[in-house]
Amino acid sequence: GENVEQHPSTLSVQEGDSAVIKCTYSDSASNYFPWYKQELGKRPQLIIDIRSNVGEKKDQRIAVTLNKTAKHFSLHITETQPEDSAVYFCAARPPPFSGGYNKLIFGAGTRLAVHP
Amino acid sequence: DAGVTQSPTHLIKTRGQHVTLRCSPISGHKSVSWYQQVLGQGPQFIFQYYEKEERGRGNFPDRFSARQFPNYSSELNVNALLLGDSALYLCASSLEERARIGYADTQYFGPGTRLTVL
Repeated sequence: GENVEQHPSTLSVQEGDSAVIKCTYSDSASNYFPWYKQELGKRPQLIIDIRSNVGEKKDQRIAVTLNKTAKHFSLHITETQPEDSAVYFCAARPPPFSGGYNKLIFGAGTRLAVHP
Repeated sequence: DAGVTQSPTHLIKTRGQHVTLRCSPISGHKSVSWYQQVLGQGPQFIFQYYEKEERGRGNFPDRFSARQFPNYSSELNVNALLLGDSALYLCASSLEERARIGYADTQYFGPGTRLTVL
């Protein structure tokens, strides 16, 4: 089945620097890749997503890139702020025959700390 | 804004008991999925329901079951609780179960139910 690996597990940056989180997936038929931000004690919140027919997507300070050949995708946060501190999860959606039409397989998460 | 709601917020049970968790999706959303999030890990898929039918099942034992009601709300039931069932149980809703284009399948998560098994 699909497997998603996420690196690094922790990331510490200074305010204003950029942060990059990388994920790899195993099932080449996966076609949807969302990123969620989870603050302590709160629900995961979608921050950006990308579909397999697109190579890059940007929303203000956040961007995601997808390399289907290498089966990896990355989250880029520019001009980081202390409020960006949270755990970030990448996810991949495998095809329906793998056990669910909208099943997401999550990475283990990256704890991002942005220091003022 | 009426997002995904879940009840109860917290629950403490003892081994061997059973538990029922509830989820109300965003108004108009027809698909509900359940995930288990153990502390320090990413959410793990348990079930997906769409239009009251099971559309997906993760690698969980038969002690876990779920259903979806005509109003699209959902229940997750866990029988014979084990210590390892302690986790945050998340419900996610989407308008549709899958979309070839567009974003009708984007999943929005509820706040979760924190289950502690003693």
